[in-house]
Formats: sequence, structure tokens, C-alpha cells
Amino acid sequence: AIVLNQSPSSIIASQGEKVTITCRASSSISSNYLHWYQQKPGAFPKLVIYSTSYRASGVPSRFSGSGSGTSYSFTISRVEAEDVATYYCQQGSSNPPTFGAGTKLELK
Amino acid sequence: EVQLVESGGGLVQPGRSLKLSCAASGFTFSDYNMAWVRQAPTKGLEWVASISYGGSNTHYGDSVKGRFTISRDNAKSTLYLQMDSLRSEDTATYYCARLTYWGYFDYWGQGVMVTVSS
Repeated sequence: AIVLNQSPSSIIASQGEKVTITCRASSSISSNYLHWYQQKPGAFPKLVIYSTSYRASGVPSRFSGSGSGTSYSFTISRVEAEDVATYYCQQGSSNPPTFGAGTKLELK
Repeated sequence: EVQLVESGGGLVQPGRSLKLSCAASGFTFSDYNMAWVRQAPTKGLEWVASISYGGSNTHYGDSVKGRFTISRDNAKSTLYLQMDSLRSEDTATYYCARLTYWGYFDYWGQGVMVTVSS
């Protein structure tokens, strides 16, 4: 199984700050198969970025993604209060689909 | 509007069985692969099982292989998860999700809680 190492495990940021989360895969995957989710407290996960860099419907432009091979990143250009959540990367390149351990974003 | 609504969760004793359902609406159910993803309390996301749009192909995570069975009824637009020989480590919120070609889950249900305890 492809292991996704996500870092950091938690971030404390101020409103308006830029934050970046990294996801490193144990083996190379096509960028088409690397995705990001947002899970707010008490809610179900929501797709934010698919295929490395495409924003899902209705997702604000402050969210972006990039990467290739084994190294991917997710960025919020200017954090807002509503972005408080746990973020997960996920690969769909091979079975089993796997998720990173998550990054919890909190506001300072 | 795509909607996925899970049901069938609850408290069950170790070794017993439970069957989850997921009622889909707002899209042509028979055109999509579907999956179950679970989340143990305070833990991350774990893929459980997937099924192809026609139901002929299924895949399972190692932790549930041989104990869980995923199935679907396209006439009823409903996804199922039969869970047998339940263990305490199966305690989690179970989400039904639509699975796309590129392997991402584009829509999720609100989740249903399963607690395995004596």
C-alpha cells in the first residue's frame, strides 16, 4: 500500500496568514490521483482539491495545490476563520486508496 | 443535488453482525463506483471497501476482508455494507462516498456511527 506522510500534524495560524501542508508518498504517483479533503469539526469530509491542483466546485480561490511524483503540497493563501478544520491528502492511484494522517488547522 | 444518506448504525456486541445502507439521490446511481470510508473516534480516515458501478467488482481493506461485504441495488439506488464478526476496533463513523475515475471521493454522506461493545 502507498503510505502518505503528511506534515505538519498541526498548525496554529493567524487570520490572513499563508499556510502550507505537505504530503509525501512512499512511491511515485501520477498527479491525477492525489487529492485533498477538508473536515470541519463534527462534519463529514469535503473534497477541496482533486488531481493535485483542481479546486472542487464552490471552493474559494485561496485554496490551491501543487506537486508531482512523491511530493505534494496544499496551500491556503490567506487563512480565514471558517478554514479551521483537519485536512487530509489521499491517493487513488492504486488499491487500497490511502489517506494521510491529517493536519489540524487552528487559529491563533 | 447529490445526496447520500446512511442508516443502520448502532450499538452491537462483538462477534455480531450489522448491515449499513446508503440511499443515493440526485444522480444516476448506476453510473458510479461507490465506497465506504470509516473514521474511528478522534482518528483519521480509513477506506473500507469499494464496488464498481455494476456491482461485479469489489475491493476491501485488509482489516475487513473476509468479514465485510459491500453490495448495491441499482434499482433502489442503494449501497450496502454487511458487517459480520464485528470487533471493537470496527467502532467508527462509517461514511458512504461516491468514487470517481481518478480515485477521489467527490460526495460524502453525513455518516453513521457503529459502536462495537459488550
